[in-house]
Amino acid sequence: NAGVTQTPKFQVLKTGQSMTLQCAQDMNHNSMYWYRQDPGMGLRLIYYSASEGTTDKGEVPNGYNVSRLNKREFSLRLESAAPSQTSVYFCASSEMMGGETQYFGPGTRLLVL
Amino acid sequence: AQTVTQSQPEMSVQEAETVTLSCTYDTSESDYYLFWYKQPPSRQMILVIRQEAYKQQNATENRFSVNFQKAAKSFSLKISDSQLGDAAMYFCAYRSWGSSYKLIFGSGTRLLVRP
Repeated sequence: NAGVTQTPKFQVLKTGQSMTLQCAQDMNHNSMYWYRQDPGMGLRLIYYSASEGTTDKGEVPNGYNVSRLNKREFSLRLESAAPSQTSVYFCASSEMMGGETQYFGPGTRLLVL
Repeated sequence: AQTVTQSQPEMSVQEAETVTLSCTYDTSESDYYLFWYKQPPSRQMILVIRQEAYKQQNATENRFSVNFQKAAKSFSLKISDSQLGDAAMYFCAYRSWGSSYKLIFGSGTRLLVRP
């Protein structure tokens, strides 16, 4: 039981390049989330998926797209990376929407030059 | 809109002693959840403890306990018998009870543990 896994752990991109961050959970959770963490700040929600087949914008969705591939996997795509997207990205999951505890992956550190 | 404030950027504690981390929040809702997450240098976010606002009893998890003051909108974390492994960033977070799925985080408190 690995919990929430993320790949890659670290990535360097040039401005304008695209990439996809992968997230998978093996806890049979219905809901999944993508957050970003900037220095000196808490996490901010980018997108979330309440259940398989649905996605919604969070607090800071601009410049990102997501795909809920199946119940286990939730990917985050940067179509044209910008230096402002340099951050640490966390994926999380919870059993269902409505207050249940969210469990986090180890994070992906992204540097955009 | 809800906000979460952690006014202590950094705290220090001697190993085996007790330390309290402060958190205040602002909300007009009556039902919600509060969490403390630990983020060690590995950057993993680890749930420490959770409190439901409707429960008057303070949550406890082994050496970790909270002092939840709903009227004062305060949610502090007490760590007893501090250990070197407790050194980390600690984040307080708020989540609405209903259809809002967003966790709102404070800016964090860095805890240093002196041997």
